[in-house]
Amino acid sequence: AQSVTQLDSHVSVSEGTPVLLRCNYSSSYSPSLFWYVQHPNKGLQLLLKYTSAATLVKGINGFEAEFKKSETSFHLTKPSAHMSDAAEYFCVVTLPRNSGNTPLVFGKGTRLSVIA
Amino acid sequence: DAGVIQSPRHEVTEMGQEVTLRCKPISGHDYLFWYRQTMMRGLELLIYFNNNVPIDDSGMPEDRFSAKMPNASFSTLKIQPSEPRDSAVYFCASHRTTGVNTEAFFGQGTRLTVV
Repeated sequence: AQSVTQLDSHVSVSEGTPVLLRCNYSSSYSPSLFWYVQHPNKGLQLLLKYTSAATLVKGINGFEAEFKKSETSFHLTKPSAHMSDAAEYFCVVTLPRNSGNTPLVFGKGTRLSVIA
Repeated sequence: DAGVIQSPRHEVTEMGQEVTLRCKPISGHDYLFWYRQTMMRGLELLIYFNNNVPIDDSGMPEDRFSAKMPNASFSTLKIQPSEPRDSAVYFCASHRTTGVNTEAFFGQGTRLTVV
């Protein structure tokens, strides 16, 4: 079965310190991996994506993620947190059409709090 | 493209009334998803379509919920009769499995309040 595990339901960091949001996946296929961000009372916005090109992917707002096949991980990082980064973050896997599975698999989300 | 368009953005209705939520996916996308989001349960997949055909509706909570996709550019999610516990934000997303940009695109959501 295909799955996405976000290891922390809530992460709290101080402004200016690094951010690490962890995501592991399980897939029998070569997945495409994404991070989405949802600010309070807003929709989901694509932060970055991995689609089998470079393993280190840069996204918007200074975020980046590294695909590590050996660890089946796709952790999201940012060197310095900003107050505006406080939001819910979702790790997502998309699967090929012929996989026979739901083509879009979500993690349960990680809520990031940033303390001044 | 204007992205995934949902309407209405907000809906307040009385218990027992019928509610219809609408979604226009991005042209050319072959998958459409309906999600529900609440504080208690997070983001839940209700149903998804592939080429207008419902593939998996196991997430639909009850028979009061139904979804249709009469053509590639329109889908509805209907709740009849509505109940207060249906209050949530409902998101529609579309996605294509070919090409470079295979990420899912989400609408802004419909915030439903049943009183």
